[in-house]
Amino acid sequence: EPEVTQTPSHQVTQMGQEVILRCVPISNHLYFYWYRQILGQKVEFLVSFYNNEISEKSEIFDDQFSVERPDGSNFTLKIRSTKLEDSAMYFCASRTGLNEQFFGPGTRLTVL
Amino acid sequence: SQQGEEDPQALSIQEGENATMNCSYKTSINNLQWYRQNSGRGLVHLILIRSNEREKHSGRLRVTLDTSKKSSSLLITASRAADTASYFCATDDSWGKFQFGAGTQVVVTP
Repeated sequence: EPEVTQTPSHQVTQMGQEVILRCVPISNHLYFYWYRQILGQKVEFLVSFYNNEISEKSEIFDDQFSVERPDGSNFTLKIRSTKLEDSAMYFCASRTGLNEQFFGPGTRLTVL
Repeated sequence: SQQGEEDPQALSIQEGENATMNCSYKTSINNLQWYRQNSGRGLVHLILIRSNEREKHSGRLRVTLDTSKKSSSLLITASRAADTASYFCATDDSWGKFQFGAGTQVVVTP
């Protein structure tokens, strides 16, 4: 069964460093999303991406964040200069239309 | 504004019992989805119910949706220890942006 994959599963970085989180959505999906979940808190929407552009973003998704779909398969989230409060689980998701949204297993980001 | 708020926050039951959790939301939705998350792990999709549906079943899961009350419920029948997890509802607006609630933590003891 097709699934969303994410790499790495765990990323440790120093404050101020750039990180790129990678996702491979399900191949025939058209809508892509990033969410984050700070430990013990709810899952929060970051950004949605459709037709090679951002369709919506939350207040969390400031200038430090960017997304890209560099080729036909990968979907990346870049954090330019990480802060301690960026430590969280980051989930990628994809869907075909207004149907089930499938989530990847997540990348745990730890900022020291 | 908060969307997709679940209650109770925590639920402790014994194997074989039913578990019911509720979700309320504020704005109009296209659909509502329920997910399960084991501690520190990913989100597993359980069931989707569309705004024009009132009830849906999948195995031991039963979901209801009342759009007039802006609420949904998830019932897990004949619970098992493996059902121990956090359960989230997520509402879906026209762009497919999900808003999650804080979740209900369910513990099923043998």
